[in-house]
Amino acid sequence: GENVEQHPSTLSVQEGDSAVIKCTYSDSASNYFPWYKQELGKGPQLIIDIRSNVGEKKDQRIAVTLNKTAKHFSLHITETQPEDSAVYFCAASIRVYNDMRFGAGTRLTVKP
Amino acid sequence: DGGITQSPKYLFRKEGQNVTLSCEQNLNHDAMYWYRQDPGQGLRLIYYSQIVNDFQKGDIAEGYSVSREKKESFPLTVTSAQKNPTAFYLCASSIQGQGVEQYFGPGTRLTVT
Repeated sequence: GENVEQHPSTLSVQEGDSAVIKCTYSDSASNYFPWYKQELGKGPQLIIDIRSNVGEKKDQRIAVTLNKTAKHFSLHITETQPEDSAVYFCAASIRVYNDMRFGAGTRLTVKP
Repeated sequence: DGGITQSPKYLFRKEGQNVTLSCEQNLNHDAMYWYRQDPGQGLRLIYYSQIVNDFQKGDIAEGYSVSREKKESFPLTVTSAQKNPTAFYLCASSIQGQGVEQYFGPGTRLTVT
């Protein structure tokens, strides 16, 4: 089955710097890759997603890139702000029933 | 105000007792999911349901049971057979289909002593 690995597990940056989180997946048939942000005590919220027919997608300060050949995808956050501090999860989905495999999460801390 | 609600936010039970976690959505979604979240681990799928009166086991279904009698509701029962039930439980819903956004509830933190 699909296995998703996520790195790093923790990331600390200064406000205004960029943050990059990387994920790899094992099943080449995976075709949908969402990123979720989870704040303390809350459920995850989708922040951006990408499909396998697209190499890059951007939404303001957030971008995601996908390399199908290497089976990895990355989240890029530019001009980080303290409110970006949270746990970020990547996921990969293949099956008809939309069940996803999640990475272990990255705790991002943005220092003011 | 549409969304997913989970109640209660915190739940405490004694070992050997079954406990049911509530999940309700008013998004008119056909599909619903239950995940378990442990520290340092990603979300792991317990059960999912694509339509009323139908549900499928996920990766870690042992010790759990669900029902889907109504479109809006997908309760999860943590039975006494679950060896390590203390965890954060998340419910999600989505429209039917593959590669669609899942909307998550706020979660229930279950502590069993």
